[in-house]
Amino acid sequence: SQTIHQWPATLVQPVGSPLSLECTVEGTSNPNLYWYRQAAGRGLQLLFYSVGIGQISSEVPQNLSASRPQDRQFILSSKKLLLSDSGFYLCAWSVGGSTDTQYFGPGTRLTVL
Amino acid sequence: SQQGEEDPQALSIQEGENATMNCSYKTSINNLQWYRQNSGRGLVHLILIRSNEREKHSGRLRVTLDTSKKSSSLLITASRAADTASYFCATDARSGGGNKLTFGTGTQLKVEL
Repeated sequence: SQTIHQWPATLVQPVGSPLSLECTVEGTSNPNLYWYRQAAGRGLQLLFYSVGIGQISSEVPQNLSASRPQDRQFILSSKKLLLSDSGFYLCAWSVGGSTDTQYFGPGTRLTVL
Repeated sequence: SQQGEEDPQALSIQEGENATMNCSYKTSINNLQWYRQNSGRGLVHLILIRSNEREKHSGRLRVTLDTSKKSSSLLITASRAADTASYFCATDARSGGGNKLTFGTGTQLKVEL
């Protein structure tokens, strides 16, 4: 069966510090991968998605970036965090080539102070 | 523009009652999905309805889709305290959507004993 992992679960970082959040998927090949951010009490904002290794589409201009160094690994990064980067970050995957069901990881709660 | 918007934003009912949530969207779709999110957790897929379907059932869930009105509803029958969560609709797009979904802002459901 397929599983998706995200870490860390929670993170508190000072403004201006770098960020690296990792997401890995097991049990499937060539998945579509997604990074979302959710502000408190709000809906999901799609940040990046990837349909293959090295292929990243950015949805919202910001100081975040994403990379997909391996088929089932998706990394969200920042060189310098802003206060506005605080939120709940969710990684998800779906079957490649499909816009059907997305399967979500447990999320990372990021607080920038 | 926001593709999916749910109403009400918040709903409080007694255990055993039915809960109805609505979703409106703006562009033509291939499918519409409903997800559930418990507080501080990732989203869980509930049900998918395709654009050529009008109604779908899964256990205590009933979803309807009216493509002429660009709207969908999620009915949870005989609600339980464990149904307390946020519920989101998500739509893909027939053109220009790539391999991504657009999520609404969600309905927060509280089921009281």
